[in-house]
Amino acid sequence: GAVVSQHPSRVICKSGTSVKIECRSLDFQATTMFWYRQFPKKSLMLMATSNEGSKATYEQGVEKDKFLINHASLTLSTLTVTSAHPEDSSFYICSADAGGSYNEQFFGPGTRLTVL
Amino acid sequence: AQSVSQHNHHVILSEAASLELGCNYSYGGTVNLFWYVQYPGQHLQLLLKYFSGDPLVKGIKGFEAEFIKSKFSFNLRKPSVQWSDTAEYFCAVSSGNTPLVFGKGTRLSVIA
Repeated sequence: GAVVSQHPSRVICKSGTSVKIECRSLDFQATTMFWYRQFPKKSLMLMATSNEGSKATYEQGVEKDKFLINHASLTLSTLTVTSAHPEDSSFYICSADAGGSYNEQFFGPGTRLTVL
Repeated sequence: AQSVSQHNHHVILSEAASLELGCNYSYGGTVNLFWYVQYPGQHLQLLLKYFSGDPLVKGIKGFEAEFIKSKFSFNLRKPSVQWSDTAEYFCAVSSGNTPLVFGKGTRLSVIA
């Protein structure tokens, strides 16, 4: 099946710094990628939908200036958490849709962000 | 807006017991339905999916799910669970061009 990777798998940073998380589709081209945030004992919350070559679409309540998303190629999307604070600590997961329609998605392994 | 409800937050079963995890959704139109599993320390994996056709869907590892349109349900079943089925299970729904909407997940603990 299709493989999606994320890097890094775990990151610890100081409050006020920015952190970039990469999401790559390894064996297929993804016109659409999604970024989720998973809280402990809670479901995945969709943060934004990222389309290659265009601006990301953010879900209500998600600050686009805080969570910068760039989908520069058909195999790479990045999420940058700017000026991170402890409340941004979470598990961030990306997924990719090879067909460009909102059907089956292939998920990355996630990135654990801890902001001190 | 669509919503997905998973009735059980945590289910504890003994090995060989039968499993049924409930999932209901709110959307009335044509839907695509999914069950994902997240084993401890691993990423989400697709268990099974329903797009159209036979409402009884067979997935990997002996899981199946039945789409009952009149009940807006897509319950997950397995006749006999194993210790290795211990994981978090997520039901998800999409329709048309809308993104996946996930339920809150059900944690399954299988004890020997």
